[in-house]
Amino acid sequence: NAGVMQNPRHLVRRRGQEARLRCSPMKGHSHVYWYRQLPEEGLKFMVYLQKENIIDESGMPKERFSAEFPKEGPSILRIQQVVRGDSAAYFCASSPRTGRPNYGYTFGSGTRLTVV
Amino acid sequence: GESVGLHLPTLSVQEGDNSIINCAYSNSASDYFIWYKQESGKGPQFIIDIRSNMDKRQGQRVTVLLNKTVKHLSLQIAATQPGDSAVYFCAEGTGANSKLTFGKGITLSVRP
Repeated sequence: NAGVMQNPRHLVRRRGQEARLRCSPMKGHSHVYWYRQLPEEGLKFMVYLQKENIIDESGMPKERFSAEFPKEGPSILRIQQVVRGDSAAYFCASSPRTGRPNYGYTFGSGTRLTVV
Repeated sequence: GESVGLHLPTLSVQEGDNSIINCAYSNSASDYFIWYKQESGKGPQFIIDIRSNMDKRQGQRVTVLLNKTVKHLSLQIAATQPGDSAVYFCAEGTGANSKLTFGKGITLSVRP
């Protein structure tokens, strides 16, 4: 049973380009969460999605950032017109649809975005 | 606003000694608390969790203590090993499948 898969592991973009980060949740998991981690800081919540629905996007910047989790395929975090301040590690986590309240998700290994 | 924070940025311990990592939180409505371990280049790895109606929970070599009176959480690692070297985060959440609020992290360094 593969864990949460994120790709690419490393992504370099020039200022103004678009970055697309992908996350495939664990098998049987239909809840996906995106977090951003700046250097030497903890993770900051960005968005929580279920299949075809955004449940909580309170941590998403108002502009340039968007996320989706289609019926088929991975969840995508899209950053348009990237700026240097977007450089960070972006982590995806997934949790199962049913069962006891999930106190701990399963995290992927992250995508490290560098904007040059 | 609500926050979860850690008292010390780094902790250095001798191999074989016990480690204690502390965390303060401010959201008294949190339902649960989690400790994560993050090794370089990897995502956070779940260590242990505790619900808000508990004071203590034990795992393999780890114990989490929760003091709701002073809003304090600690992680105790027994017989610390070199493989325990990592950054440790406390996190808190409310409700099922909700977002987590993380602290900044503390680096645990184990001396041989």
